[in-house]
Amino acid sequence: DGGITQSPKYLFRKEGQNVTLSCEQNLNHDAMYWYRQDPGQGLRLIYYSQIVNDFQKGDIAEGYSVSREKKESFPLTVTSAQKNPTAFYLCASSTRVSAETQYFGPGTRLLVL
Amino acid sequence: AQSVTQLDSQVPVFEEAPVELRCNYSSSVSVYLFWYVQYPNQGLQLLLKYLSGSTLVKGINGFEAEFNKSQTSFHLRKPSVHISDTAEYFCAVIGKTSYDKVIFGPGTSLSVIP
Repeated sequence: DGGITQSPKYLFRKEGQNVTLSCEQNLNHDAMYWYRQDPGQGLRLIYYSQIVNDFQKGDIAEGYSVSREKKESFPLTVTSAQKNPTAFYLCASSTRVSAETQYFGPGTRLLVL
Repeated sequence: AQSVTQLDSQVPVFEEAPVELRCNYSSSVSVYLFWYVQYPNQGLQLLLKYLSGSTLVKGINGFEAEFNKSQTSFHLRKPSVHISDTAEYFCAVIGKTSYDKVIFGPGTSLSVIP
């Protein structure tokens, strides 16, 4: 079955630690996205990528980094510079960045110890 | 740039009653409109979308929405809700240009009461 997988489902971060969230898709989509979801605030775009080896900052990129070395993969690193990382992180993909339905993964909940 | 407003953060409704979730948007260009649903601790899935043509759009699970350009609205409706419709609903908009990104509203939490 085609879809998007995210791992892990839950992730714990210690103070000063970098953590990486995985996102993989087998839909052959060019565009991939990372969103952060906080209660009552909807989804906020962190980074997006339209093609391999290229990505752009979204609205809240500070404290995060990404890479797009393969079409299928778009990992997100939450760095120690992100002072309030506790949130639900959603990865999505679409055929291109425009007017297309986004397909979402099941999400990763990040908690700070 | 676009923005999306969902005036109702929480909507409680009794089972088998009708429901309307409101969405208004603002944009200086023509837009595409979407409704997504999110069940607890899951990702979002598409309910329906408006790209062009008929302003009444039908989606999955018996939902429908009507695009009203003059009122810049895209309200979601269902004539009879079920317990399984309890979820968070997000309205989203994207401008009809090559470089716009999807903008999501803050969401409306629908609670169906037995």
